Amino acid sequence: KAGVTQTPRYLIKTRGQQVTLSCSPISGHRSVSWYQQTPGQGLQFLFEYFSETQRNKGNFPGRFSGRQFSNSRSEMNVSTLELGDSALYLCASSSWQGRTGELFFGEGSRLTVL
Amino acid sequence: QKEVEQDPGPLSVPEGAIVSLNCTYSNSAFQYFMWYRQYSRKGPELLMYTYSSGNKEDGRFTAQVDKSSKYISLFIRDSQPSDSATYLCAMSDSGGGADGLTFGKGTHLIIQP
Repeated sequence: KAGVTQTPRYLIKTRGQQVTLSCSPISGHRSVSWYQQTPGQGLQFLFEYFSETQRNKGNFPGRFSGRQFSNSRSEMNVSTLELGDSALYLCASSSWQGRTGELFFGEGSRLTVL
Repeated sequence: QKEVEQDPGPLSVPEGAIVSLNCTYSNSAFQYFMWYRQYSRKGPELLMYTYSSGNKEDGRFTAQVDKSSKYISLFIRDSQPSDSATYLCAMSDSGGGADGLTFGKGTHLIIQP
């Protein structure tokens, strides 16, 4: 069974630009969550989608947005990039039949903002 | 006070030693407790999962939860160089998982051969 796939793995942007990151969950998983990981703040919850609906959102500004498609694939977008947005963005999928918190993470998209 | 506190390390121990990793938390509503392991340049992977208080053992790993003290631990017996990684504790108060997990910042563990 293929794992969670994130693309691109690495990208470099400049301040003010926008970026779109993609996530393909494990086949059959309908929940997709996004996390931001930085050395200073650790892993922080961005948002979670289930069946194309955002169920919850973490404490991030509106520049961070996401969506989920009918095939459960998800994208997140960050607009008007700031230097502080440099981070590893992790996508995780889970099965509605699985245990709470049992997340399967991808390898992440490492964003550098110059 | 942060919701979850975890010593960042690095924690360096010789091969074969028993390793103890810990997290403290402040939110008494947390009921689900997890330990994730993250190798360099990889995503976290679930290592141990515990609901409410108590102990859970899986091979060389033992997870303990003490809700009265708001303290969780992960013990690694007979540690191996391959155990060198960052260990993240994570918690949730939600039965549905929609609220997201609250993570500690992780402890960087080094097992010396």
